[in-house]
Amino acid sequence: DVKVTQSSRYLVKRTGEKVFLECVQDMDHENMFWYRQDPGLGLRLIYFSYDVKMKEKGDIPEGYSVSREKKERFSLILESASTNQTSMYLCASSFVRGNEKLFFGSGTQLSVL
Amino acid sequence: QKEVEQDPGPLSVPEGAIVSLNCTYSNSAFQYFMWYRQYSRKGPELLMYTYSSGNKEDGRFTAQVDKSSKYISLFIRDSQPSDSATYLCAIRGAGSYQLTFGKGTKLSVIP
Repeated sequence: DVKVTQSSRYLVKRTGEKVFLECVQDMDHENMFWYRQDPGLGLRLIYFSYDVKMKEKGDIPEGYSVSREKKERFSLILESASTNQTSMYLCASSFVRGNEKLFFGSGTQLSVL
Repeated sequence: QKEVEQDPGPLSVPEGAIVSLNCTYSNSAFQYFMWYRQYSRKGPELLMYTYSSGNKEDGRFTAQVDKSSKYISLFIRDSQPSDSATYLCAIRGAGSYQLTFGKGTKLSVIP
């Protein structure tokens, strides 16, 4: 079974801190994605990557950056965390473009105080 | 107008009921249609996928797409308490990496 592992289940940070969310997949998938999920707003795409060192902005990239130095690892970076970035963050991967099967991690609930 | 509209519910049904979950979309360029299921404190998982108008069946689940009306549905027959979850529709255009998700409908199946 494909496994997408997110480094932390719960995270509490202070406003202004730099935050790293890590995601690792073990099935050699080409594509990796970062979403945030908020009540009433659903899943929104922050960034995605279709290859090592490649990245594309999603719908809400402001305040975030990403890094993909290795195929299996995709990091989401909050350069200076703000309270409006309190959310559930979900990482996902898929094999190739056009493959509809996204495999999601269990999520990281980030609270910014 | 939002690209994908989905009634958030919550929806509560007795065990054994037939459940109908629906989404509408606005862009006729969307060609691929999916339903994801998300259990509490878990990430979504793909349940059904189709790219054409008509019905696709998998066990107790049927996905229906009506491209002329821009309307997609998921039917669950003989619903079980284990079906209690949030169901998200998702759609994609040709040549795009991005899925557009509905906000999800929370379903509770009461024993």
